[in-house]
Amino acid sequence: GQQLNQSPQSMFIQEGEDVSMNCTSSSIFNTWLWYKQDPGEGPVLLIALYKAGELTSNGRLTAQFGITRKDSFLNISASIPSDVGIYFCAGQKTGTYKYIFGTGTRLKVLA
Amino acid sequence: GAVVSQHPSRVICKSGTSVKIECRSLDFQATTMFWYRQFPKKSLMLMATSNEGSKATYEQGVEKDKFLINHASLTLSTLTVASAHPEDSSFYICSATPSSSGSNPDTQYFGPGTRLTVL
Repeated sequence: GQQLNQSPQSMFIQEGEDVSMNCTSSSIFNTWLWYKQDPGEGPVLLIALYKAGELTSNGRLTAQFGITRKDSFLNISASIPSDVGIYFCAGQKTGTYKYIFGTGTRLKVLA
Repeated sequence: GAVVSQHPSRVICKSGTSVKIECRSLDFQATTMFWYRQFPKKSLMLMATSNEGSKATYEQGVEKDKFLINHASLTLSTLTVASAHPEDSSFYICSATPSSSGSNPDTQYFGPGTRLTVL
C-alpha cells in the first residue's frame, strides 16, 4: 500500500537537544496526525492538525500542517529519555476516511 | 477519553487454528473501525475498514475469506484469522474513529495491539 515519506528514518540525539522530523507526500492531505509508538504497543496520538498552516503544541511537542498541504513537521524540544520510540505521521486525503501512514522515524535519546 | 482496548494482547496458536481478536472502544461509539497489520520495524499497513452494520471494506491484496471482520455494535469489531499459518504471524492493531459530533470524527485512536504467533 501507499506510504508517506518520513525523514529522518532514525536518529540518535543527546538528552536536552531539540528534534525535528518531517513527512512529505506528492498528494494533498486535509488532515495530519502524529503518533508515537513504543515497542509492543499501539500508536498513541500526539497531535492532530486540520488546517493548512496550522501550528499546534502538546507540551514539548509542536507540529505544523504544511502550507502546501503536502507535508507536515514535528518538533520535540529538550528531549528526554522517555521520548525514545517510533514516531509516525498519518495523512488523510480529502473525500476519504482512510489514513496513510509514514514510514516512521525511530528516535533514540542518549542520556 | 478515547480509549480503545484489544483482546487478547498476545496469542500463540498451532497452524490451522482460527484466531479471533476483539477491538473495543471503551468510552465512545465508533461507527468505523480499522484493522492494521505491522511487521517488525515497519509501518502500519491498513488491512480493512470495519463499518458497523455492514460489510467490511478490504484493501487490495487482503483476503476477505482469510481475515473475517465483524462489526456487530458501535463499540466492538472482531477480526478472525481463519486457519492461521506461520506467515500470518504479525502484530495486529485496530483503531476507532469516534462517531459523535462532539469530537473531530476523523481522528483515529489505536488499541494496544495483538501479537499473533502461529507455530
